[in-house]
Amino acid sequence: KNQVEQSPQSLIILEGKNCTLQCNYTVSPFSNLRWYKQDTGRGPVSLTIMTFSENTKSNGRYTATLDADTKQSSLHITASQLSDSASYICVVSSQGSTLGRLYFGRGTQLTVWP
Amino acid sequence: NAGVTQTPKFQVLKTGQSMTLQCAQDMNHNSMYWYRQDPGMGLRLIYYSASEGTTDKGEVPNGYNVSRLNKREFSLRLESAAPSQTSVYFCASYRQGTEAFFGQGTRLTVV
Repeated sequence: KNQVEQSPQSLIILEGKNCTLQCNYTVSPFSNLRWYKQDTGRGPVSLTIMTFSENTKSNGRYTATLDADTKQSSLHITASQLSDSASYICVVSSQGSTLGRLYFGRGTQLTVWP
Repeated sequence: NAGVTQTPKFQVLKTGQSMTLQCAQDMNHNSMYWYRQDPGMGLRLIYYSASEGTTDKGEVPNGYNVSRLNKREFSLRLESAAPSQTSVYFCASYRQGTEAFFGQGTRLTVV
């Protein structure tokens, strides 16, 4: 069964600290993995994409890693800011005859305190 | 470039009433999706359409119907609303190899 599991479910950190969010998936055949940020009351917005051949990709203070062998990804946030408070969702896409299918994790709710 | 547009943004229904949520995208994407999001549950797929003229059930399709009117538009219909359908609904569109783009959501309350 194609699944995406995220941990932790929620996380509270102090402003300026770093944190790492985890995503494990069983989706096959794998196409790519994206991390989305969802602010309260808004739709998710893409942060970064990881394809099969990529191990690490950075987008400002966000760094995503992918281990395609173990089917694990992480999102590392450096020097957190209050505006980082949001839900972070791992989304894996599969490649197939249906022109691709998206599988969502339930998200990690990050709260950054001053 | 508007991306994905959902209407309405907010709606209150009485139990048993019907309504249609509208979604349109202007990115020429083949695939479109309807999700519901409930506290602590994440995004759950209701229905999706891989291409114009096709629709498939997702994880939680009961109580909903969809129509892929054309490549741009994908609507979600509640024939007889129930309190359990109180949720935030998101429409998304996607072209394989690119990112999914989401609408701003419809907050639906059924009383």
